[in-house]
Amino acid sequence: ETGVTQTPRHLVMGMTNKKSLKCEQHLGHNAMYWYKQSAKKPLELMFVYSLEERVENNSVPSRFSPECPNSSHLFLHLHTLQPEDSALYLCASSQEGSAGGVGELFFGEGSRLTVL
Amino acid sequence: GQSLEQPSEVTAVEGAIVQINCTYQTSGFYGLSWYQQHDGGAPTFLSYNALDGLEETGRFSSFLSRSDSYGYLLLQELQMKDSASYFCAYNQGGKLIFGQGTELSVKP
Repeated sequence: ETGVTQTPRHLVMGMTNKKSLKCEQHLGHNAMYWYKQSAKKPLELMFVYSLEERVENNSVPSRFSPECPNSSHLFLHLHTLQPEDSALYLCASSQEGSAGGVGELFFGEGSRLTVL
Repeated sequence: GQSLEQPSEVTAVEGAIVQINCTYQTSGFYGLSWYQQHDGGAPTFLSYNALDGLEETGRFSSFLSRSDSYGYLLLQELQMKDSASYFCAYNQGGKLIFGQGTELSVKP
């Protein structure tokens, strides 16, 4: 497989459920990101991991919990979400320090989350 | 403050040229990127300008003026498949901050 893959592609959960989104990148990159995309709103940066260390937590509620066990995998653990958390969650990776810098992100197809 | 402004919608006809403008305000700036996203798809990278001037990649070109905090994406010889959302994003050193996106509709 190549690129950035996300699972599941679609997820419906109740407000009391606990679920996780998974992201895997096969590009050998050293940085990974979670973005949230809601209708009619910009992509919102949630978390940044560089060399497996979290370097950015963009004031995200604690009901979202990221995990980066290695440079190829990124998880987003979800618990007690609210209906307004329904959105497309996009994972991306990049190679920091290269000529392109963080100008070029490689995105996965996203996980469409619906919270009932 | 920090912000990115781009038009919400643009309509053009096949074969035409369209320019999507982007203005930004930020305390830290390393460069401006452009991404394309088709309905239901992932955003894909189009171009990146770290320095002032024009970058050309096939039918697409991108321009940056750091002194004016302004950039644009120029799409030439428009095709129906170019109908998509286009996002500008600035590099704030280790992270990309995106604008709201411009929905481009290409008509026959």
